[in-house]
Amino acid sequence: GAVVSQHPSWVICKSGTSVKIECRSLDFQATTMFWYRQFPKQSLMLMATSNEGSKATYEQGVEKDKFLINHASLTLSTLTVTSAHPEDSSFYICSSKGTEARWETQYFGPGTRLLVL
Amino acid sequence: AQKITQTQPGMFVQEKEAVTLDCTYDTSDQSYGLFWYKQPSSGEMIFLIYQGSYDEQNATEGRYSLNFQKARKSANLVISASQLGDSAMYFCAMRDLHSGNQFYFGTGTSLTVIP
Repeated sequence: GAVVSQHPSWVICKSGTSVKIECRSLDFQATTMFWYRQFPKQSLMLMATSNEGSKATYEQGVEKDKFLINHASLTLSTLTVTSAHPEDSSFYICSSKGTEARWETQYFGPGTRLLVL
Repeated sequence: AQKITQTQPGMFVQEKEAVTLDCTYDTSDQSYGLFWYKQPSSGEMIFLIYQGSYDEQNATEGRYSLNFQKARKSANLVISASQLGDSAMYFCAMRDLHSGNQFYFGTGTSLTVIP
């Protein structure tokens, strides 16, 4: 399977600051990456699809100006939570489509826990 | 309508026993893929097993097997010889032609292995 890393794994910030989360595919080139959000004891919620070299596609209800996504290279996608507020505290996890032909399994990063004070 | 339904919020199994985690799905597509992921307390989503809708045989990966019953639209995960390290959340997911790149995820099942 593919290896996806995320950085940082933990971040605590003050309300009003912006936080950048990086998602890297380590052993393959990922033209498409996905950003999810997960609240405690809930399932993953897709926020946006990040496409290399083009604008991200956001899911309904996700503010694109609040959650900025940049996919500048085939191995790196970033999610910036702008002017973070306590309600943005969550577990953010990225994934990348695998390279196998089997329905393109998604491989996930280890996730980033964000706590906004 | 829910695309993926996991009806067991929590399950317990004795160490070394087998356990089945239920998953039913809803799609009108003939071609689709079904996936199971494990999420331990650390949060990472670990890919376990995949089943394609046209695969005639049930998928197996080590101690994991997928009991695929197409007519019933069920894709249950069977874990044999449970280990303490199997304690985690388990998510069933599906991708079909209509979902594009997106995965539909179930609500998850929390498995606890008892020593």
